[in-house]
Amino acid sequence: SYELTQPPSVSVSPGQTASITCSGDKLGDKYACWYQQKPGRSPVLVIYQDNKRPSGIPERFSGSNSGNTATLTISGTQAMDEADYYCQAWDSSTERFGGGTKLTVL
Amino acid sequence: QVQLVQSGVEVKKPGTSVKVSCKASGYTFSSYGISWVRQAPGQGLEWMGWISAYNGNTNYAQKFQGRVTLTTDTSTSTAYMELRSLRSDDTAVYYCAREVPNDGMDVWGQGTTVTVSS
Repeated sequence: SYELTQPPSVSVSPGQTASITCSGDKLGDKYACWYQQKPGRSPVLVIYQDNKRPSGIPERFSGSNSGNTATLTISGTQAMDEADYYCQAWDSSTERFGGGTKLTVL
Repeated sequence: QVQLVQSGVEVKKPGTSVKVSCKASGYTFSSYGISWVRQAPGQGLEWMGWISAYNGNTNYAQKFQGRVTLTTDTSTSTAYMELRSLRSDDTAVYYCAREVPNDGMDVWGQGTTVTVSS
């Protein structure tokens, strides 16, 4: 079965750039999405179709996808960005989520 | 505003079934699909399946094939997820989310907590 692999945790200082990766076989041939989830809340879509931002998502969130790796980049990271982040892609009519990455802003 | 409102907390015995509802408002229900995703305590997101609200076509995660059924009622703009033969490891928060494949899940319900315990 298709798997997406994320680092369990990433740390970043406020104002710096955070990068969260998501790896999967030929992931660049598929569309990747990214979700942010804060404790006790429903997930929020922050990137779809590799690099598009839904309405209301700050410009500091961006995405890329090539080869076997999709990357979520948060520029000028703020304390409010501390959350769990999940990548997601469709493969053979089924969806997969990565295991999630806890972003700590310290 | 566009929203999905899910049914309330469920407590079930092992071996029984649960049916969670997800009522949509603020958009044309049949123009989108609905995915169901669950999250066990302290764990990540797990996709269960997707249903087209246009024609009822479904895609299920292999793990849940034969144990889950997704349906929609276009007259009430409501989607349903039924999970049978419940086990303790089905204890989780169950979410519905609006989705067009490859466009992401852009609207989520508030989640329904299902607890399976004897």
